[in-house]
Amino acid sequence: KAGVTQTPRYLIKTRGQQVTLSCSPISGHRSVSWYQQTPGQGLQFLFEYFSETQRNKGNFPGRFSGRQFSNSRSEMNVSTLELGDSALYLCASSLEGVNQPQHFGDGTRLSIL
Amino acid sequence: AQSVTQLDSQVPVFEEAPVELRCNYSSSVSVYLFWYVQYPNQGLQLLLKYLSGSTLVKGINGFEAEFNKSQTSFHLRKPSVHISDTAEYFCVTYQGGKLIFGQGTELSVKP
Repeated sequence: KAGVTQTPRYLIKTRGQQVTLSCSPISGHRSVSWYQQTPGQGLQFLFEYFSETQRNKGNFPGRFSGRQFSNSRSEMNVSTLELGDSALYLCASSLEGVNQPQHFGDGTRLSIL
Repeated sequence: AQSVTQLDSQVPVFEEAPVELRCNYSSSVSVYLFWYVQYPNQGLQLLLKYLSGSTLVKGINGFEAEFNKSQTSFHLRKPSVHISDTAEYFCVTYQGGKLIFGQGTELSVKP
């Protein structure tokens, strides 16, 4: 069974640009959640999608958004990039929700110049 | 608000020695607790979970944790570590539809 796949693995952008990250969950998993990992703030919950609907959202500005498609694949978008958005972005999936054990992808490393 | 505190940012230990990674939680509601491990350049992998029931939880790779309600702790233990256990370990809880992470403990196993 294939694991959670995140693309791309590495990305370099400049301030003011926007970026879209992709996540393909494990087959059959309907919940997809996103996390930001930085040395200063650690791991923080961004949002969760379930059956194409955002179910929960962390404390991040509106520049961070996402969506989920009917096949459960999810995308995360960050607009007007700032230097502080440099981070490892992790995606995780589970059958029904965030309170269940999560299966994580290897992440997308985003660097802002 | 729910939170978890990992009491040690770094834990160095020699191979085959026992190890304990400490985690305290704060909550007045039902508790979901997890330990995850992150190897370099990888995502997180679940070690074990506590949702209810027996307070001693056994996980993968020989790890176990004990849920202690009176001390609000969920410490992770392994009786004998290997070089391959070198990684960062996260104590995680769930509340209000979100996962809340501890700051992480870097376990460094030396030969």
